[in-house]
Amino acid sequence: AQSVTQPDIHITVSEGASLELRCNYSYGATPYLFWYVQSPGQGLQLLLKYFSGDTLVQGIKGFEAEFKRSQSSFNLRKPSVHWSDAAEYFCAVAPWDYGGSQGNLIFGKGTKLSVKP
Amino acid sequence: NAGVTQTPKFQVLKTGQSMTLQCAQDMNHEYMSWYRQDPGMGLRLIHYSVGAGITDQGEVPNGYNVSRSTTEDFPLRLLSAAPSQTSVYFCASSYSTANTGELFFGEGSRLTVL
Repeated sequence: AQSVTQPDIHITVSEGASLELRCNYSYGATPYLFWYVQSPGQGLQLLLKYFSGDTLVQGIKGFEAEFKRSQSSFNLRKPSVHWSDAAEYFCAVAPWDYGGSQGNLIFGKGTKLSVKP
Repeated sequence: NAGVTQTPKFQVLKTGQSMTLQCAQDMNHEYMSWYRQDPGMGLRLIHYSVGAGITDQGEVPNGYNVSRSTTEDFPLRLLSAAPSQTSVYFCASSYSTANTGELFFGEGSRLTVL
């Protein structure tokens, strides 16, 4: 069965420091991969996605993620964190269907990011 | 643009009561879904729909019903509320089944069952 693991429940970084949030997936083929962000009291917003091609993908708000097939990972990075980045981040996988449809999204359990001034 | 609208934002129920969480989207999206979010559990899929008149179960469907009579609306019904259904519920939609991963979320409905 497909699954997504986010090993870190909570991470604290200083404002201006770099950030890397880890995500590992379990899936037989190359899946569609996503990162979402949830600000307190809000719904989720799509940060970026990977379907195929270049393994380094750029997203909104200065985030990027790198797909590494050999490690089954899709880690999220940002070179310099801002206080407004404090939120919860979810990695997700949509299994690919031979009929051309994506399957339902499977979410990781999330990583909460706190930012120190 | 309204996007995905959920009502109510907050609700308190007593065990055994029934209620409906409303979800409407104005983007003409084909795919709609309901998730519940619980601390430490991430988001879990309850039900989803790939078009008007078509619904299916997700990971945690027990105790919930859905219907999709129009493209815009996808209400979630709790038949007989239980404390285990205390959660935050999110409705989400995407343009088509070819990109169900690119979801637009509502702001959530926080439900407490006493």
